[in-house]
Amino acid sequence: DVKVTQSSRYLVKRTGEKVFLECVQDMDHENMFWYRQDPGLGLRLIYFSYDVKMKEKGDIPEGYSVSREKKERFSLILESASTNQTSMYLCASSFPRTSGSGDTQYFGPGTRLTVL
Amino acid sequence: SQQGEEDPQALSIQEGENATMNCSYKTSINNLQWYRQNSGRGLVHLILIRSNEREKHSGRLRVTLDTSKKSSSLLITASRAADTASYFCATTSNTGNQFYFGTGTSLTVIP
Repeated sequence: DVKVTQSSRYLVKRTGEKVFLECVQDMDHENMFWYRQDPGLGLRLIYFSYDVKMKEKGDIPEGYSVSREKKERFSLILESASTNQTSMYLCASSFPRTSGSGDTQYFGPGTRLTVL
Repeated sequence: SQQGEEDPQALSIQEGENATMNCSYKTSINNLQWYRQNSGRGLVHLILIRSNEREKHSGRLRVTLDTSKKSSSLLITASRAADTASYFCATTSNTGNQFYFGTGTSLTVIP
């Protein structure tokens, strides 16, 4: 079974802190994604990566950066946390469309981040 | 935004009844998927239907796709209390690797 793990289930940080959210997948997927989920807004894509050291902005990249130094690991960085970044953060991974495996995304359990 | 929308936002039914939820989207798609999310957890893939397919079944799930109306429906038959969750549709465009998720339908199945 595909396993996507996230470093923390719950996290509480203070305004202005630098926050690292880690995601690791064990299926050798090329694609990895970071979303945030807020009530009434569904899932919104922050960044995605289709290869090591490659990254693409999603719909809401402002205030975030990412790092993908190894294929299995994709990190989301909040450079200076703010209260409006309080949210559920979901990581996902998938094979590329050209692999023939379809576009199924596999999600981690989520990290609920609270910024005080 | 290319985000889809599910309808209804919330649905409450008795165990054994069928649940139908709908998804509308805005752009041409390569495929459409449905995901399930239990409270406070990540999403789990349920079923994928390609743009050239009109209907697909998987166990108690039936998905339809109408590309002319840019809409899809998910039917869960003979619902169970364990089906209580939020359900999201997600579309992938013909180009690129991005997914666009809808806002979700919250389903409650009452035992």
